[in-house]
Amino acid sequence: KAGVTQTPRYLIKTRGQQVTLSCSPISGHRSVSWYQQTPGQGLQFLFEYFSETQRNKGNFPGRFSGRQFSNSRSEMNVSTLELGDSALYLCASSRTGRPSGANVLTFGAGSRLTVL
Amino acid sequence: GENVEQHPSTLSVQEGDSAVIKCTYSDSASNYFPWYKQELGKGPQLIIDIRSNVGEKKDQRIAVTLNKTAKHFSLHITETQPEDSAVYFCASPANQAGTALIFGKGTTLSVSS
Repeated sequence: KAGVTQTPRYLIKTRGQQVTLSCSPISGHRSVSWYQQTPGQGLQFLFEYFSETQRNKGNFPGRFSGRQFSNSRSEMNVSTLELGDSALYLCASSRTGRPSGANVLTFGAGSRLTVL
Repeated sequence: GENVEQHPSTLSVQEGDSAVIKCTYSDSASNYFPWYKQELGKGPQLIIDIRSNVGEKKDQRIAVTLNKTAKHFSLHITETQPEDSAVYFCASPANQAGTALIFGKGTTLSVSS
């Protein structure tokens, strides 16, 4: 059974550019969430999509956006990149996406973004 | 909102010793407490979780205990091995609206042989 696939694995951008990251969840998983991981702030929740709708959003500026397609694949976009956006961006999928708190998240390996 | 504190930030043990990592949470309504292990170059991987109606759960060499009154939960690893070296994260639901988790800052565990 394939895991969560994230592309690209590594990318380098310059300030002011934008970037799009892709995530393919485990087959049958309908919930996809995104996290930013940095040495200073740790793992921080960005947003969650369920059945193509954003269900939950973390405390990030509007430059961070995402979407989910009908096949549950998801993309996130960061516009007007800043140096502080350099991070590992992790995607996680959940089979049930049940809003009760007890959901097992399966993470991908992440996309490492470096902003110069 | 929910806040999760994790201690210690680093932990060094000898192979065969036990390791304990502790977390506290703030939201008394939280009902699910997973632990994730992250190895270099990989995403976090769930190793064990516990729901609020259970006080302890074991899976071979790892166990998690939960004290809802004190709002803290702990990860216990016995008979540590070099392959246990990794970063461990505790987490708790951010809210009841979806699957979002609030993570602790992580504990870097080093097991020396």
